Amino acid sequence: DAKTTQPNSMESNEEEPVHLPCNHSTISGTDYIHWYRQLPSQGPEYVIHGLTSNVNNRMASLAIAEDRKSSTLILHRATLRDAAVYYCILKIYGGSQGNLIFGKGTKLSVKP
Amino acid sequence: DGGITQSPKYLFRKEGQNVTLSCEQNLNHDAMYWYRQDPGQGLRLIYYSQIVNDFQKGDIAEGYSVSREKKESFPLTVTSAQKNPTAFYLCASSIGGTGTPGKLFFGSGTQLSVL
Repeated sequence: DAKTTQPNSMESNEEEPVHLPCNHSTISGTDYIHWYRQLPSQGPEYVIHGLTSNVNNRMASLAIAEDRKSSTLILHRATLRDAAVYYCILKIYGGSQGNLIFGKGTKLSVKP
Repeated sequence: DGGITQSPKYLFRKEGQNVTLSCEQNLNHDAMYWYRQDPGQGLRLIYYSQIVNDFQKGDIAEGYSVSREKKESFPLTVTSAQKNPTAFYLCASSIGGTGTPGKLFFGSGTQLSVL
């Protein structure tokens, strides 16, 4: 199964940009890259997803490397409410089980 | 507001008892999922369903059972065969089947503990 590698934890200062890296060297051509985040004692929340091109939405930006073996989630101005565990996930397309495979994620701390 | 409702928020199970976790969605989504999360760990898939009256085992289905009699509902039963049931259980749904790139919508979870 295609897997992702993320740092266990990162720290950021409030109001500064945050770049959360993810490596997925075994990604296949049809796998989508998804990002979710999870606050304590809550269910994960969708952040963004992409296939090949960079993507932007109101929450974040997703930068995908040209060879698709890595990606970066960019929070443009971190707030205290952005402190969460961020999961980088490959959405395996097709097959008998197109579910998302969640790893341990990156725990982001935001300092005031 | 549309969303996924899980109940109860906290549940306690006695030795040898079966317990059922409820999951209801009003998003009109076809696919529904159950995940288990242990402290400090990622999510592991227990069961998923792409359509009413059909469901498939995930990675850790042993000791669990599900049903999908209605599109809106996907209850999970933790049976007495599950020897280590203490965990945070998450239900999710998505538009279309599992082969689509669509996003997952999660409920707020049920914390199950053993007495």
